[in-house]
Amino acid sequence: DGGITQSPKYLFRKEGQNVTLSCEQNLNHDAMYWYRQDPGQGLRLIYYSQIVNDFQKGDIAEGYSVSREKKESFPLTVTSAQKNPTAFYLCASKISVSSYEQYFGPGTRLTVT
Amino acid sequence: SQQGEEDPQALSIQEGENATMNCSYKTSINNLQWYRQNSGRGLVHLILIRSNEREKHSGRLRVTLDTSKKSSSLLITASRAADTASYFCATGYSGAGSYQLTFGKGTKLSVIP
Repeated sequence: DGGITQSPKYLFRKEGQNVTLSCEQNLNHDAMYWYRQDPGQGLRLIYYSQIVNDFQKGDIAEGYSVSREKKESFPLTVTSAQKNPTAFYLCASKISVSSYEQYFGPGTRLTVT
Repeated sequence: SQQGEEDPQALSIQEGENATMNCSYKTSINNLQWYRQNSGRGLVHLILIRSNEREKHSGRLRVTLDTSKKSSSLLITASRAADTASYFCATGYSGAGSYQLTFGKGTKLSVIP
């Protein structure tokens, strides 16, 4: 099966702990994205990567970090500095930086208490 | 921000009826896309309309774009219960060598059998 996988689907953490969300794609896409979605809201861009070993901040990068050591993987770490980490996190990819359509993973729902 | 705004926020119709959702945005765009999200899942691309197009069809979907009014509409004809989902418009713009999307807050469509 080709596509984007995110694991786990549900994640629970205590406040003050860092947590890493996984995103893997086997579509051979160059660009990858992380979005955050809050209830009744649209998607807000956290980070994106256009190529291996390169990534850019999105609109709400504070409290998050990413790495892109392999083309197929783009993990997101939610640090203890993120004030409101409880949200639904979506990873997406697209063929190249100039292509239009984004392909989304199934999402990870993170709950921090 | 170029974020689109969908209208209405929620829409409830009977199966077989048509559903119309609107999207307004603020600045110039290269194109506009519509995505669908089933509850708790990732987004799925539906259709893209370029800034020089006025109307586009795909199966039961019809999208219009009025760049003078900075608005778009998505029409789903002969709706089915399986169309129940949230629908998002995403405005696309090219800058600094890449193409980025900005998502609206979505319209939640409920199709009653």
